[in-house]
Amino acid sequence: GENVEQHPSTLSVQEGDSAVIKCTYSDSASNYFPWYKQELGKGPQLIIDIRSNVGEKKDQRIAVTLNKTAKHFSLHITETQPEDSAVYFCAASNSQASGGSYIPTFGRGTSLIVHP
Amino acid sequence: ETGVTQTPRHLVMGMTNKKSLKCEQHLGHNAMYWYKQSAKKPLELMFVYSLEERVENNSVPSRFSPECPNSSHLFLHLHTLQPEDSALYLCASSQERTYEQYFGPGTRLTVT
Repeated sequence: GENVEQHPSTLSVQEGDSAVIKCTYSDSASNYFPWYKQELGKGPQLIIDIRSNVGEKKDQRIAVTLNKTAKHFSLHITETQPEDSAVYFCAASNSQASGGSYIPTFGRGTSLIVHP
Repeated sequence: ETGVTQTPRHLVMGMTNKKSLKCEQHLGHNAMYWYKQSAKKPLELMFVYSLEERVENNSVPSRFSPECPNSSHLFLHLHTLQPEDSALYLCASSQERTYEQYFGPGTRLTVT
């Protein structure tokens, strides 16, 4: 099955700095890579995703890059703000798989702390 | 109500109790999921209900029993739990095989 590794487990930055979270995956058949943000007391919320037919996607201050050859993808947050503080999860899945294998496999999460 | 709702938000139960967690989605989705979230561990998929199939994680103990009476409601029945079952239990929904999963706020379960 799929295995997703996520680093770092904790990331502390100053407001205005950039933050980068990296994930690697093992199954070359994976074709969908979402990122979730989980704030205290809430469930994870999808913030951006990328499919395997593109290498980069941007949405305002956040961007995701995908390197299929190396089987890794990254989340980039620019001009960080205190409200960006949360736990971020990456995930990978194969939407064409059967038997429940299309369900995303999640990384362990990165706790991002943005200091004012 | 919009999105995915879960009740109760917090639950404390003894090891001999029986309780149920409830999830309701208002998004018109037709797949629903139960996840367990423990500290420092990846999200652990427990059960999936969809039009095509029911999927179970074989490592989930039988003291957890899911029920999905229709596409909008999902229950997790709990009995004779252990302290290590204390965790945040998350419900999610999606449109069959589309990519996005929408999560509820979770039920914080403490087993004493």
